[in-house]
Amino acid sequence: TQLLEQSPQFLSIQEGENLTVYCNSSSVFSSLQWYRQEPGEGPVLLVTVVTGGEVKKLKRLTFQFGDARKDSSLHITAAQPGDTGLYLCAGDTDSWGKLQFGAGTQVVVTP
Amino acid sequence: EAQVTQNPRYLITVTGKKLTVTCSQNMNHEYMSWYRQDPGLGLRQIYYSMNVEVTDKGDVPEGYKVSRKEKRNFPLILESPSPNQTSLYFCASSRFGGASYGYTFGSGTRLTVV
Repeated sequence: TQLLEQSPQFLSIQEGENLTVYCNSSSVFSSLQWYRQEPGEGPVLLVTVVTGGEVKKLKRLTFQFGDARKDSSLHITAAQPGDTGLYLCAGDTDSWGKLQFGAGTQVVVTP
Repeated sequence: EAQVTQNPRYLITVTGKKLTVTCSQNMNHEYMSWYRQDPGLGLRQIYYSMNVEVTDKGDVPEGYKVSRKEKRNFPLILESPSPNQTSLYFCASSRFGGASYGYTFGSGTRLTVV
């Protein structure tokens, strides 16, 4: 059983459309991270959110940490083919050093 | 360039033949960890190390060993590999553990055990 549940598992959209990926848990997280992984490579950190209700923006990507620190979302505006990849959320609860990952959302953006 | 280097990138081996996957980081990070990635299961932690000579089990440690004799190196050892250890393996490092600090991942090692 995944501590972090990501939805949807797969998302295919056209260039220019918007998309949202969700990361949910019944546990409270001290902080949460989002990564993007491309085929044949390791995950690359996009953002870390640490405060409940926090919103961070990275160009066309908007990350939100839930008020109760149990969930997070990633919104991409006007998606581009370069946004294609596996998006992973990861967090730690009170077990320092054990970063837990969700199973990921595969995003495909077609021109 | 700050990076985590894993070797080899690809490895095919036979059941029972001991192997080591090396991992080295050049960022002077305290924390290092090994993950395996399997379809539908995401990244699962095998072992982690919070400092030299300090290691602890992750969620799936059975069949694996690690050591941390130097800060920069964190090799993963499979004493007697079995087919269920066929997977994509990633080494990661961080200044400290937990999700408050960014993790830097290696490029992965795709292991096949036949």
